[in-house]
Order: sequence, then C-alpha cells, then structure tokens
Amino acid sequence: SQTIHQWPATLVQPVGSPLSLECTVEGTSNPNLYWYRQAAGRGLQLLFYSVGIGQISSEVPQNLSASRPQDRQFILSSKKLLLSDSGFYLCARQVGTGNYEQYFGPGTRLTVT
Amino acid sequence: GQNIDQPTEMTATEGAIVQINCTYQTSGFNGLFWYQQHAGEAPTFLSYNVLDGLEEKGRFSSFLSRSKGYSYLLLKELQMKDSASYLCAVRPDAGNMLTFGGGTRLMVKP
Repeated sequence: SQTIHQWPATLVQPVGSPLSLECTVEGTSNPNLYWYRQAAGRGLQLLFYSVGIGQISSEVPQNLSASRPQDRQFILSSKKLLLSDSGFYLCARQVGTGNYEQYFGPGTRLTVT
Repeated sequence: GQNIDQPTEMTATEGAIVQINCTYQTSGFNGLFWYQQHAGEAPTFLSYNVLDGLEEKGRFSSFLSRSKGYSYLLLKELQMKDSASYLCAVRPDAGNMLTFGGGTRLMVKP
C-alpha cells in the first residue's frame, strides 16, 4: 500500500499564528518524502524533501520548516504564518527506485486570513 | 536554473483529440512525467518518458524528444471527465527531485 494520510484536510488560520501539518505514509520503510505547495491555479513548488529520519533538505528559503521525527511521519511547521502561505499543501512519496515517480497525498488546503 | 513551459489553458470539444505541449530547459534530464489533477484534488500519475518516442496508454499518449527539450501529452476521444489540469514534470538529475511546470488547465466542452 502506498497510502498517504494528511491532516487536517482544510485549515483557516490568522496571520501570525503557528502551523503544523502532518503527513503519515504506509508501506515500505524509509521512503523519500516531499512537501509541495500549490498556489491557486499554479504549479507545484517543492518546499522540503527528506530521505530519512531527521534528514531534511530545504528548497526555498521561507518562514516554513519541516521535520521527520519517525520513518513514516513528515511534519510541516511555521511559527508565524503570512498571507502568502495560503495554498494547497501536498505531501508526496517516491514510488520505488525505478522511474522515480511520486505519489501524492490528498492535500491540506490552508487559508491564512 | 530549471525552466518548464506549458500553455496555461486549453479548450477542446468532447470526442475530439487534444495535444498539450511541454518544453523544458533543465540542467540535465533523467525522465519526464505527466500528471493529471482535478480541481481540489491531488495530482495522479499518467505517464513517464525517458527515451525518445511515443508511449501509449489507452486514450492517453505521451511523446518525448530529448534533443528538442519537448514533450506532449495526447488525449484522444475526449470525455467531460478529462477536464482537469495537466502537469509536466522533469527529473533533471540523478537525484530524487522533480521540477514541475505551471500546469495546463484543460476544459472539455460538450
């Protein structure tokens, strides 16, 4: 099973508030995991990826951070949200080691007011 | 840097054929992916090309020309449910990351 769970599904938060989005995956151990953000009507922007517990690479400097406390858990956080943080946040995992296809979770829609 | 270009929007008629183009300029090339994304949902994998040529999968086909930095997704016998965004993504190197284009929003009309 490649199932990816994300919660919450939707979230409305005021500017300046903290954020914690959680992603958990089922299936093979030590998966490569990714956090993407998608602004309305736009493509996917890679935020973070992780190849293992405690190993995080950041692609875009911003007020967001990520952590991987367990093999199948990937968390996206912020201490203070900005209006520009609004978007659709997608967690993904790499499927096997063949073609490097990525499989996406259902996403969290975040609105910062 | 990595640059992937797709048309922003396209419109086509139910039952027709539509071709969605993708051009890329990346530091390297190790494969190209097409994803379908319905509004409000996660992207789902459609196709993968790493060698030049056409890959056919039912009503959908994907073509790649590495020398031209060009790919297209061909959708035949369009159905209303094909209305969605189509995302082109490139794996630019031997690492674990994909770079996505901005997506093409396809509207299928009766």
